[in-house]
Amino acid sequence: NAGVTQTPKFQVLKTGQSMTLQCAQDMNHNSMYWYRQDPGMGLRLIYYSASEGTTDKGEVPNGYNVSRLNKREFSLRLESAAPSQTSVYFCASVSPRDSYEQYFGPGTRLTVT
Amino acid sequence: ELKVEQNPLFLSMQEGKNYTIYCNYSTTSDRLYWYRQDPGKSLESLFVLLSNGAVKQEGRLMASLDTKARLSTLHITAAVHDLSATYFCAVDLYTDKLIFGTGTRLQVFP
Repeated sequence: NAGVTQTPKFQVLKTGQSMTLQCAQDMNHNSMYWYRQDPGMGLRLIYYSASEGTTDKGEVPNGYNVSRLNKREFSLRLESAAPSQTSVYFCASVSPRDSYEQYFGPGTRLTVT
Repeated sequence: ELKVEQNPLFLSMQEGKNYTIYCNYSTTSDRLYWYRQDPGKSLESLFVLLSNGAVKQEGRLMASLDTKARLSTLHITAAVHDLSATYFCAVDLYTDKLIFGTGTRLQVFP
């Protein structure tokens, strides 16, 4: 099993450009999450999806949209990137059968200039 | 609003010494998680604590949970350099959502 995978690993955007971060998991988990991590801070939840076809806002959703394409895939879109969105983005998934432990992807390091 | 506070935020300790990292949270929960993050890497699960009084140990690390005090501790015994990393606690809101602490950056020196 690959676990949770993310693409791309690195990305540089100019202000106003758009892009989609991809996340996939092969553990048959229902719930998936997008976080951002800024220097010296913990993770903050952007959006989450409790099941295929459902999404909900987290703590910092402004400037982002998400799509739960199917059970495996959960994408994060920046429609018009801003320098304040420079961050490291982590995708995670969780299985209730596994004590609700979250499994994290390797992260995408995004810089917006 | 749930707040999760860790202290210290930064810890520099000598090899062989013991120390404790504290995680305080502001609302009721009996599901707490500890993660480790190496520089430039993702988060790695260390411990899952699911009830009051839970204690888990792995090598030189031991985690405990006191839900009445809303406090979890991560105790380091006889620190070694390989333990240098940032440690996060995270509290479950019973909605499959986690709230993370700001992290404790641990540096172990000879």
